[in-house]
Amino acid sequence: GAVVSQHPSWVICKSGTSVKIECRSLDFQATTMFWYRQFPKQSLMLMATSNEGSKATYEQGVEKDKFLINHASLTLSTLTVTSAHPEDSSFYICSASLGLYSNQPQHFGDGTRLSIL
Amino acid sequence: RKEVEQDPGPFNVPEGATVAFNCTYSNSASQSFFWYRQDCRKEPKLLMSVYSSGNEDGRFTAQLNRASQYISLLIRDSKLSDSATYLCVVGALSSGTYKYIFGTGTRLKVLA
Repeated sequence: GAVVSQHPSWVICKSGTSVKIECRSLDFQATTMFWYRQFPKQSLMLMATSNEGSKATYEQGVEKDKFLINHASLTLSTLTVTSAHPEDSSFYICSASLGLYSNQPQHFGDGTRLSIL
Repeated sequence: RKEVEQDPGPFNVPEGATVAFNCTYSNSASQSFFWYRQDCRKEPKLLMSVYSSGNEDGRFTAQLNRASQYISLLIRDSKLSDSATYLCVVGALSSGTYKYIFGTGTRLKVLA
C-alpha cells in the first residue's frame, strides 16, 4: 500500500527557532499533499494543500509567512514553521493521496510532535 | 452547522459487543467517504473506504446513505484493541480545490 514518511517525529526547541518538517511519498508520486495540525483532544485541522510545482493553498486563518510550504518534487513536501513560539506547539501531520477526484483515500505520515519551549 | 459531524462519545462497550457510529455531512456534492482510526498520539490510519453499495471488511461494515447524507460504521464482536478514536472523513470539491474534511471523531473504549 501507499507509504508516506514524515520526519522528524519529535522536535523540542527554543522559542524563535525555525523548524522544518519533511513529508515523503515513498512508493508513489503525489502531486498533492496536505498539511494538518492537531491540538490535544481536537480533530485534525487542514492548514494547507501543497501542490507540486506551484504555490500552496492555505486555509483561512493560517499565516502563509509563518508556515512556509515547498513542494519541489512529486515525492517531497516540506513545512517550515518560522520563528516558532510556544503557541505553535502541536502535532503536525502530512498526508498524500494516490489521486484526487478518484475516491482515493489519504495516507498519513507518522506525524511530527513539535514542542516549543 | 459543521461540515462533518460525529458524536464525540465516548462509547464504552464490553468485549464482544456490537457498536455503531454515525457521521453526517452537509455538502450534498461530497464525492468520497472514509473511516479512519486514530490511536492516542498517533497518526490516523485508514480503516476503510465507504462505497454507495455498502462494504464489509471482517468485523467492520460501512454504509453510505446519500439521500440522508450520513455514513455509518458497524463493529461486530468488539475487541479490546478496537479502542481508539474513529474519524469520519469526507472528500469534496471546495472553491475549486479537492479537500478532505474530518469529523471530530468518536471515541470508543472496549472494556474487558
